[in-house]
Amino acid sequence: GDSVTQMEGPVTLSEEACLTINCTYTATGYPSLFWYVQYPGEGLQLLLKATKADDKGSNKGFEATYRKETTSFHLEKGSVQVSDSAVYFCALSPSNDYKLSFGAGTTVTVRA
Amino acid sequence: EAGVAQSPRYKIIEKRQSVAFWCNPISGHATLYWYQQILGQGPKLLIQFQNNGVVDDSQLPKDRFSAERLKGVDSTLKIQPAKLEDSAVYLCASSQTGGEGYEQFFGPGTRLTVL
Repeated sequence: GDSVTQMEGPVTLSEEACLTINCTYTATGYPSLFWYVQYPGEGLQLLLKATKADDKGSNKGFEATYRKETTSFHLEKGSVQVSDSAVYFCALSPSNDYKLSFGAGTTVTVRA
Repeated sequence: EAGVAQSPRYKIIEKRQSVAFWCNPISGHATLYWYQQILGQGPKLLIQFQNNGVVDDSQLPKDRFSAERLKGVDSTLKIQPAKLEDSAVYLCASSQTGGEGYEQFFGPGTRLTVL
C-alpha cells in the first residue's frame, strides 16, 4: 500500500542554519504530496503541497519539490528561526482519493 | 473563520471503561475524518465521513470503536471498552470536497490516557 518514510529526528539546529528533512514515498499512480507542521500546543496545519511531478510547493520560506524519478519530497529552508521549532510530517494522498497517509514525523528544535 | 473544534482536550480513564470524543468541523465542510496518533507516530486514519455517510472505516477497530456523524455536521467517536493501547491523541479534521478544496483542516486533538 501507499506509504511515506521520512527522516528520523530529533533535529537540533542553531538559528539561521539550513534545514533539510528527507521524505520518500511509495505509491501507485500520481499521488499528491504534503508537508504538515505541528507547532507546540497547536493542531496540525498544512505547510505546503504539490500535486504533480516537478511542482514546487512553498510557504513561510520552506520549499519542497515533487521528484517522481526519486519518489521524494524533501523539505528545505535556507535560514531557520526559533519559531520554526515544531514537528514536521510528510504525507501523501492517492491520485484517486483524498485520504492522507502520514510519515512518523520529525521533531525540529531551533536554538537561538 | 472558526476552526475545527474538539472536546475534551484531555481524558484519563481506566482500561475497560468507555469514552467519547466530540468534533465540530468547519462550517460547510462536507467531509470529516478521525485520526489516531500514537506517540512517536504519524496520524492514522480511522474513519472518513462524507456528509453523514461513511466513506471509509477500514482501519476502525469495530469491535470497540464506533463513530457517527449526526445530520452531517458534528461527529462523535466512542471507544468501549478501552484498552491500554488506545492511549493516543485523537484528531478530527474536515475538508470541502472536490477539486482543490480537499485540504484537510485539523482540530487540536483529544489526548487519551488509558491506565
